[in-house]
Amino acid sequence: KQEVTQIPAALSVPEGENLVLNCSFTDSAIYNLQWFRQDPGKGLTSLLLIQSSQREQTSGRLNASLDKSSGRSTLYIAASQPGDSATYLCAVSYGQNFVFGPGTRLSVLP
Amino acid sequence: DAGVTQSPTHLIKTRGQQVTLRCSPKSGHDTVSWYQQALGQGPQFIFQYYEEEERQRGNFPDRFSGHQFPNYSSELNVNALLLGDSALYLCASSLSGLPTGELFFGEGSRLTVL
Repeated sequence: KQEVTQIPAALSVPEGENLVLNCSFTDSAIYNLQWFRQDPGKGLTSLLLIQSSQREQTSGRLNASLDKSSGRSTLYIAASQPGDSATYLCAVSYGQNFVFGPGTRLSVLP
Repeated sequence: DAGVTQSPTHLIKTRGQQVTLRCSPKSGHDTVSWYQQALGQGPQFIFQYYEEEERQRGNFPDRFSGHQFPNYSSELNVNALLLGDSALYLCASSLSGLPTGELFFGEGSRLTVL
């Protein structure tokens, strides 16, 4: 069964800290992995997309890495800001459907 | 560049009723996928439409059905609503259903079943 897990479930940090969110998947036969941000009651905003042949992607203060062999991806957020507070979800593509993790709820305190 | 748009944003139904949700994909996209997100959980794949046909389906009963129109917009229909159908329904669009393609989501339709 294809499953995606995310650790931690929730995280609270002071402003300015660097932080790492973790995503694990059981089936390594993936096409790509995508990280999303979701604000309460809202839709999902795409942050980064990593193809299966890539090791990492960067966008601004965000960096995502992918290790297919170990079934892991990490999202690194540098110099966190209160505006980064949201739920972060990773999703793994196995073809026509994406399998989502339950998300990490991030709070950045001013 | 218009993103993915969904309607309605919120709706309330009673058990046994039927509901139709609508989605217009991002400009240039031809593939629409529907997801159900219960409170506090990640989205669950319902089905994907490409070239007006259901291409793949997740583990959802036949009460959930859909349609894609020639302009690539899509509808999700749910019959015989149950309390457990209360959720945020998300539409995502992509290009040609490529497994390597990036997904773009709308803001969702919040369904409450009483």
